[in-house]
Amino acid sequence: DAGITQSPRHKVTETGTPVTLRCHQTENHRYMYWYRQDPGHGLRLIHYSYGVKDTDKGEVSDGYSVSRSKTEDFLLTLESATSSQTSVYFCAISEKGGEYNEQFFGPGTRLTVL
Amino acid sequence: AQSVTQLDSQVPVFEEAPVELRCNYSSSVSVYLFWYVQYPNQGLQLLLKYLSGSTLVKGINGFEAEFNKSQTSFHLRKPSVHISDTAEYFCAVKTPAGGSYIPTFGRGTSLIVHP
Repeated sequence: DAGITQSPRHKVTETGTPVTLRCHQTENHRYMYWYRQDPGHGLRLIHYSYGVKDTDKGEVSDGYSVSRSKTEDFLLTLESATSSQTSVYFCAISEKGGEYNEQFFGPGTRLTVL
Repeated sequence: AQSVTQLDSQVPVFEEAPVELRCNYSSSVSVYLFWYVQYPNQGLQLLLKYLSGSTLVKGINGFEAEFNKSQTSFHLRKPSVHISDTAEYFCAVKTPAGGSYIPTFGRGTSLIVHP
């Protein structure tokens, strides 16, 4: 199994509070991604990173920010959580960003915003 | 923009029966196709991928998929399913749109295998 951990694995928070989710990898892969998974929507890309301090937006980036100060860590922050951000969040990594490389996924973080 | 359509949100099947999970994509350029499986309460893992060459691709756990360029499809098949194949299956496509190969995922198909 690829060395990807996510923390916390479960979190319950209240509307309006900031939340940070962490993805940590031990594979030294260049690309890291944050997805959210919701019933009927599959996986939707929030943000991704193609190197330290290099990030870009995905299709559902509103309300989320990311940071990558080290190769191994990719943080997802909800500045002010809303109930619509209740979801399961997955981190993924890939060695390179080209067409040949598959992604490896973390175990997920279940976030509930009350 | 590329899109991926998984035509069935849920596929119930009896154990040892064959199954086909359908995936269609919309892209007129080169595509690279993937199937992932997600077991309950876990992350996704790669089943198989098509990059080039033979249009019939074999993956893990007895699954295979066929790339059909004319029909823009990449359907997943297994000749005889087991209870343990109960899971969510996702089709994903990569294209060189904008110089980036960020994958787009379908909405998923829930395979439910009954004894």
